[in-house]
Amino acid sequence: SAVISQKPSRDICQRGTSLTIQCQVDSQVTMMFWYRQQPGQSLTLIATANQGSEATYESGFVIDKFPISRPNLTFSTLTVSNMSPEDSSIYLCSVEDRSKGYEKLFFGSGTQLSVL
Amino acid sequence: DAKTTQPTSMDCAEGRAANLPCNHSTISGNEYVYWYRQIHSQGPQYIIHGLKNNETNEMASLIITEDRKSSTLILPHATLRDTAVYYCIAWYSGNTPLVFGKGTRLSVIA
Repeated sequence: SAVISQKPSRDICQRGTSLTIQCQVDSQVTMMFWYRQQPGQSLTLIATANQGSEATYESGFVIDKFPISRPNLTFSTLTVSNMSPEDSSIYLCSVEDRSKGYEKLFFGSGTQLSVL
Repeated sequence: DAKTTQPTSMDCAEGRAANLPCNHSTISGNEYVYWYRQIHSQGPQYIIHGLKNNETNEMASLIITEDRKSSTLILPHATLRDTAVYYCIAWYSGNTPLVFGKGTRLSVIA
């Protein structure tokens, strides 16, 4: 099973600043995803991080606000830009594993972001 | 992906079986039923999945009705550590991402 390391685990940031979240996987994976979980809510998909090309964003999320990098098959970053208090959420990195002949997702432990 | 419907919350006594229902009446033929759970302050964790046959693993059992329009996740002997939000998802990968609904908040009570 894939082991995901996500950094930072939590941060408190000032309005108007940006934060970059890192996701490192211990094996090469094709599909990587970024989710957001607002307080008391379910998970919402932000984007699919594509290796070697631009990320695919879901409705309501744009590249200028959430730029994503995917330089190789084991690493991705999500930046939350020009933050406001509404961006306070847990951000989760996820990877798809097909090593057992079926697809399942593994999740990092998340980044708890608070914006003041 | 087909939409799923789950109860908002459920309680279960410790040591008893927890039976979590899920309706997925619009599931398509190639969609699997997946169950994940999210314990507080952690990322979601895969539990089990199935297509049409009942499945069992070390964590749980999954019972899928013959018409595949509903399923039940069974935790045979619930413990306090099983307190979590449980998500039922009808999903066919095909490089499409997993979409989470609201899930069922299960509280296991001593």
